[in-house]
Amino acid sequence: DAKTTQPNSMESNEEEPVHLPCNHSTISGTDYIHWYRQLPSQGPEYVIHGLTSNVNNRMASLAIAEDRKSSTLILHRATLRDAAVYYCILNQRGSSNTGKLIFGQGTTLQVKP
Amino acid sequence: DTGVSQDPRHKITKRGQNVTFRCDPISEHNRLYWYRQTLGQGPEFLTYFQNEAQLEKSRLLSDRFSAERPKGSFSTLEIQRTEQGDSAMYLCASSLDKAFFGQGTRLTVV
Repeated sequence: DAKTTQPNSMESNEEEPVHLPCNHSTISGTDYIHWYRQLPSQGPEYVIHGLTSNVNNRMASLAIAEDRKSSTLILHRATLRDAAVYYCILNQRGSSNTGKLIFGQGTTLQVKP
Repeated sequence: DTGVSQDPRHKITKRGQNVTFRCDPISEHNRLYWYRQTLGQGPEFLTYFQNEAQLEKSRLLSDRFSAERPKGSFSTLEIQRTEQGDSAMYLCASSLDKAFFGQGTRLTVV
């Protein structure tokens, strides 16, 4: 499985944008980039995923580099409820096993009021 | 609530006892997954069902662990002869195209 690299921790101020980076230099052409987050004492929660083009949803935006070797999860206005561990995960396109996820240690995001 | 449901939320057991956890997936999801998460680490995949068939098991799933999904709906994870190293959060997920996780069962073996 291709690996991802994320910073261990990041800090943000409330109501400011947050850019969470992820490096995946060994990504293959069939890998989707998924982001999940885990709030304290909760199970992981799906945030967003993409293949090549940038993606937006109500939670966040995903910016994917042209060579696909890195991506950035963007929270447009951080709130205190966004404090969580954010995981960047590669998942094979067309796989029937879409729930088998290989988690790294993720980025712990702290949001300061 | 139509999300993934796990029961119990917390379990404390003595070393050597057997424990069983239950997971009720989202009803239309045919795939169900079990994960284990220890403090400070990301979740680790344990096993996967498609309908009632157990299709994959991780090497982490020792002989003391067994999972079932008898009718392709709910699933159980049993740990026999628990050890202190089994203390962890056990997470269940179900999926069609993306995974939805339950809140987990926190196991403490004393």
